[in-house]
Amino acid sequence: KAGVTQTPRYLIKTRGQQVTLSCSPISGHRSVSWYQQTPGQGLQFLFEYFSETQRNKGNFPGRFSGRQFSNSRSEMNVSTLELGDSALYLCASSLEAQEHEQYFGPGTRLTVT
Amino acid sequence: AQSVSQHNHHVILSEAASLELGCNYSYGGTVNLFWYVQYPGQHLQLLLKYFSGDPLVKGIKGFEAEFIKSKFSFNLRKPSVQWSDTAEYFCAFYTGGFKTIFGAGTRLFVKA
Repeated sequence: KAGVTQTPRYLIKTRGQQVTLSCSPISGHRSVSWYQQTPGQGLQFLFEYFSETQRNKGNFPGRFSGRQFSNSRSEMNVSTLELGDSALYLCASSLEAQEHEQYFGPGTRLTVT
Repeated sequence: AQSVSQHNHHVILSEAASLELGCNYSYGGTVNLFWYVQYPGQHLQLLLKYFSGDPLVKGIKGFEAEFIKSKFSFNLRKPSVQWSDTAEYFCAFYTGGFKTIFGAGTRLFVKA
């Protein structure tokens, strides 16, 4: 069974631009969560989607948004990029029955210059 | 606020040494607890998990963790580390609400 895939793997953007990241969960997984990983901060929860509905959101500004499609694929968007948005963005999928045991993708490394 | 505290940010050990990584969480109710590991250049993956039952849980590669409810702790242990255990380790918990809380991580370096 294929794992969680994320595209693109690397991105370089300029301050003020916007970016869209994509995540395809493991087949059959309907829950998708997004995290921001930075050195020393660990993983910071961005949001979680299930059946196209956002069920929870972390403490990030409104510039960070996401959505989920009917095939469970998910995208996250960051508008008006800031230097501090440089990070590894991780997507994780899970089966609802697995008590939120998550399977992670390789991440998208975003660099904002 | 719900949070996870990992006691050490960096740990350096020699091969065959014993390992214990501390993890404390702040939440008064029922939790599901996890340790995830990120090997260099690889995806974050599940090492072990505790949902209920025996508080001593065993995971992959000889790792184990003990849930002590009275101390809000879930420390990770391994009797004898190998060079291949060099990685970053994350403690996490889930309380429902579709949100998992992660610690800041502990970078372990094992000297051959």
